[in-house]
Parts: sequence; structure tokens; C-alpha cells
Amino acid sequence: SQQGEEDPQALSIQEGENATMNCSYKTSINNLQWYRQNSGRGLVHLILIRSNEREKHSGRLRVTLDTSKKSSSLLITASRAADTASYFCASNQAGTALIFGKGTTLSVSS
Amino acid sequence: EAGVAQSPRYKIIEKRQSVAFWCNPISGHATLYWYQQILGQGPKLLIQFQNNGVVDDSQLPKDRFSAERLKGVDSTLKIQPAKLEDSAVYLCASSFQGKNEKLFFGSGTQLSVL
Repeated sequence: SQQGEEDPQALSIQEGENATMNCSYKTSINNLQWYRQNSGRGLVHLILIRSNEREKHSGRLRVTLDTSKKSSSLLITASRAADTASYFCASNQAGTALIFGKGTTLSVSS
Repeated sequence: EAGVAQSPRYKIIEKRQSVAFWCNPISGHATLYWYQQILGQGPKLLIQFQNNGVVDDSQLPKDRFSAERLKGVDSTLKIQPAKLEDSAVYLCASSFQGKNEKLFFGSGTQLSVL
């Protein structure tokens, strides 16, 4: 079963613009993670935010977590063509494996 | 540091045939996962190993899928017999201890069942 649901399913922007992706989940979580997947490749971990954290930054990435709304957002600032990929949120309860959402496909054109 | 290794990269088989996938996790990683990713969807967990023991195989179709990690290092996932709906990318991932950490993924095996 899917734990997280990303929104939007697809997003097209120009280089230099910001991209925001949202994720909603159903049950209480231990942490929430975001991954990137380039076409035909495996997933690459981007950032992990714990349930007691509200915001986290890593380079051009900013992740927020609202446990009261069971939602998270991923912001990519100043997007580049190389950011074109699918982005997945994944979450788990204590002791369970990560459950992934269906992903957001981001297309950044130059 | 070497990443998660998977082989083969691609496999095409006829329905009802059998197929096996191999995974070698990052050295020292105790936890190994097999995920199935159907086109346009997110990865779905098939099985999780902690060392050579199974932690979670609740979503593994056990009538046709089997997996083992005999020495607690590399792992094999087998499908026998394959169905058309098994066409997907099979991703192997590993983590250090499996305690809510980030996962390291291999490049996956793309399976086409005709």
C-alpha cells in the first residue's frame, strides 16, 4: 500500500525557477525522506527529516514537515536542467521499511 | 565506497519462464531490501532482510517469488513462473542497520515479461 502521495504528479518549469512538491501520508511516522530518480536509474537519497523536526535544508533543497497535517514539502530553489527527474517521498513507522509514494515528475527546461 | 551492485541490468523472458536477480549490498550494511517498481509508480517493498533473516515479506507473492540471503551479504530474488504483470524494475537497496536510516539503491534490473 502507498503511504505517501505526492502532488503534483508532474511539474514543468524553466531553469532558475523554484519547484515545490508536496507529500501527504496516512499514519504517524518516525521520519520522512525524499529521494530522486533519474530516468532508468536507481533512487538517490536527498534528505531525511525526523518527526520532531519542522524544517531542514541541504544546499538548494528545503524540506518542511507538518505532522499535524501529515504532510511534507520539498522546495528546490533556482532549478537547473540537471534537476529533471522523478522525486519520491517515503516514510516509515518505527521498525518498518520505507513506503514510497507515486512520485512527482519534474521537468526543467533551459 | 562501492555502491549497491545489481545484475543483470535488463532481462526479457516469456511468461511462465523463471528468472533470477542478484544483488550485492554496500559492504557492512546489515539490512537489504528488494523493491518492485512498476512503470509510473513508486517502489513497493517485496522483502526486507536483516543479516540473513527475513524481517518483512508480507508483500512478497510467495506462490511465485522467493528470495534468499544465505550468508548475510549478497541476495538473490527469483520469480517462477513469471507473469505478464511482473514486468517492472526490481530495485535492491541496503542500509547500515535498518533503523530508520537512508537507503542506498542499486541501478535496478528492468524485467520485461512477454
